[in-house]
This record gives sequence, C-alpha cells and structure tokens, in this order.
Amino acid sequence: NAGVTQTPKFRVLKTGQSMTLLCAQDMNHEYMYWYRQDPGMGLRLIHYSVGEGTTAKGEVPDGYNVSRLKKQNFLLGLESAAPSQTSVYFCASSYLTGFTEQYFGPGTRLTVT
Amino acid sequence: AQKVTQAQTEISVVEKEDVTLDCVYETRDTTYYLFWYKQPPSGELVFLIRRNSFDEQNEISGRYSWNFQKSTSSFNFTITASQVVDSAVYFCALPIFGNEKLTFGTGTRLTIIP
Repeated sequence: NAGVTQTPKFRVLKTGQSMTLLCAQDMNHEYMYWYRQDPGMGLRLIHYSVGEGTTAKGEVPDGYNVSRLKKQNFLLGLESAAPSQTSVYFCASSYLTGFTEQYFGPGTRLTVT
Repeated sequence: AQKVTQAQTEISVVEKEDVTLDCVYETRDTTYYLFWYKQPPSGELVFLIRRNSFDEQNEISGRYSWNFQKSTSSFNFTITASQVVDSAVYFCALPIFGNEKLTFGTGTRLTIIP
C-alpha cells in the first residue's frame, strides 16, 4: 500500500516547455487534489476532482490543466511553463469530501528558468 | 469569506517548553470541520486531527492538545514539553465551497531549540 505517489520528484524546465506531473493513489479514493506551495503562502488549490472523469478549478487554476481518466490517477499539465510556476506541487486524495482527511504525496519540486 | 488565519509566521522555543499555535477561522457554515496538518523538514504533509463543530471538547493526544472555541472562532494547538522532533510547519485548514475542498492557513513554522 503505497498511499499517494508523485512522479517526478524534481524537475527543471525552461520557460515555454511543457510537462505533466503524475499522481497515483491506491486507496480507492474518490477525491483528488493538486496544490502548489510557495513560501509564505501556504497551500493553494490548483484543480481538484470529485471522481473519475471529473475535474474542477481551484483557487489558482490559470496555466494548468488536469485530467482524471482513471480513478487512481490525477495528472497535472503545464502547457507553457513560466517562472511564476516555480513551486512545490503536492497531490492529495480523500475518501469523501472536505469532511475527511486528505492524504498527501511527497511533493514535486519544479523550477522554471 | 471563508478563510483561515494563522497570524504566527514563526515561533521558536527551547526544548521542553510548552507552545501554542493559533488558528482563527471564518465560515458561514453552521456545521463544519477543522483540521491540523504537520509538515516536517522532510516535506510531506501529515494529518494530525479533524474536529467537528458540534464537539467543543478539548482533544488530547499525548503531548498534543487542541482547544476549539466557537465563541472566538479559534482552534488552537498546544504542544506540551516540546521536543526537537516537533520542529515543523503546522497548517490549520477549513472545508469551503460545499465542503468539496480545504482552504489552508499560511502555516506557522515551529522551531524547537535543543
């Protein structure tokens, strides 16, 4: 039981490049989330999903796209990376809604130069 | 607006001292939950506690205790006899928008000095 895993752990991109972050969970959770963490700003929700095939915008969705084709996977895409997207990205999952605790992945440190 | 405020950005205490981390929240919901998470230097976020707004009794778990007061919209976290392993960033969180997601405070960085 690996919980929530994220791939890759580190990545450096040049401005304008694209990439996809993969999140996988093996707990059969319905809800999945992508956050970014920046110094002094806590965690901010980028996008989330309430079930397979669904996605919704969070607080800071601009510049990101997501897909949830399989229940256990939640992908975060950056189509044209910008330096402002330099951050640590966390994926999380939960069994039900915001009433239940979220389980977090180890994070992906992304640097855009 | 529904939000969480953690006014203490950084706190440093000497080992074995008690320390309280403050969390003040705003919500228009009559029923809600509050959460605390810990982020140690290794980076992962760890769930600590969830409290229901119906239950205002203090919660104690070992050296950790939580004081929930609806009258002041606060959900404070106290560590008794702090240890170096308690050094971490601590986040308070509140469900928002139909309870589909959490909003997090900006976190309090706690440093325990040996």
